[in-house]
Amino acid sequence: DQQVKQNSPSLSVQEGRISILNCDYTNSMFDYFLWYKKYPAEGPTFLISISSIKDKNEDGRFTVFLNKSAKHLSLHIVPSQPGDSAVYFCAARVQGAQKLVFGQGTRLTINP
Amino acid sequence: EAQVTQNPRYLITVTGKKLTVTCSQNMNHEYMSWYRQDPGLGLRQIYYSMNVEVTDKGDVPEGYKVSRKEKRNFPLILESPSPNQTSLYFCASSLAGSLYNEQFFGPGTRLTVL
Repeated sequence: DQQVKQNSPSLSVQEGRISILNCDYTNSMFDYFLWYKKYPAEGPTFLISISSIKDKNEDGRFTVFLNKSAKHLSLHIVPSQPGDSAVYFCAARVQGAQKLVFGQGTRLTINP
Repeated sequence: EAQVTQNPRYLITVTGKKLTVTCSQNMNHEYMSWYRQDPGLGLRQIYYSMNVEVTDKGDVPEGYKVSRKEKRNFPLILESPSPNQTSLYFCASSLAGSLYNEQFFGPGTRLTVL
């Protein structure tokens, strides 16, 4: 049973435009949500996080939005750059535990 | 340089031949974990360890063993590998009690079992 879902396997965006990656979750016991970025032949690297008590967190070009009532979060990248081309994983931390539950990943391609 | 290292990076083996994938971190992290990444399934946790001599099953532990005799090392053992264990494996570590458990990942080990 997939508790964290990324329903779009891939997304293609033109350079300079906004990229929006989406993630849905089913477990109300998640207290933090994280986004990781993964390049080929490398491990995932942490990008940005948000607490379940917030609805927005911003870091430079990256903003994560959380809609708790819809159990939905999204990552916005503005403006998109060629170096943003990677696989993005959404992850959720189980409250009171170290465990992270990951989504399936979305491959983002930024076209020049 | 703070890092998580894994060895080997690539491995092709045959069914039933025992193998070990090593993982080492130099950040003095208490928490370590193994994941496998499969197409359409994302990252799934195999085993994790909260500290030395403390290990527990993740979501997909069948066919795997781990040990944590030292804080820095967390090897993954496949006693009798099968083709369904062909996958991309990642080791990760983090500080116990970190606010949101930002995990640091190794570069991955691509395993093929024939």
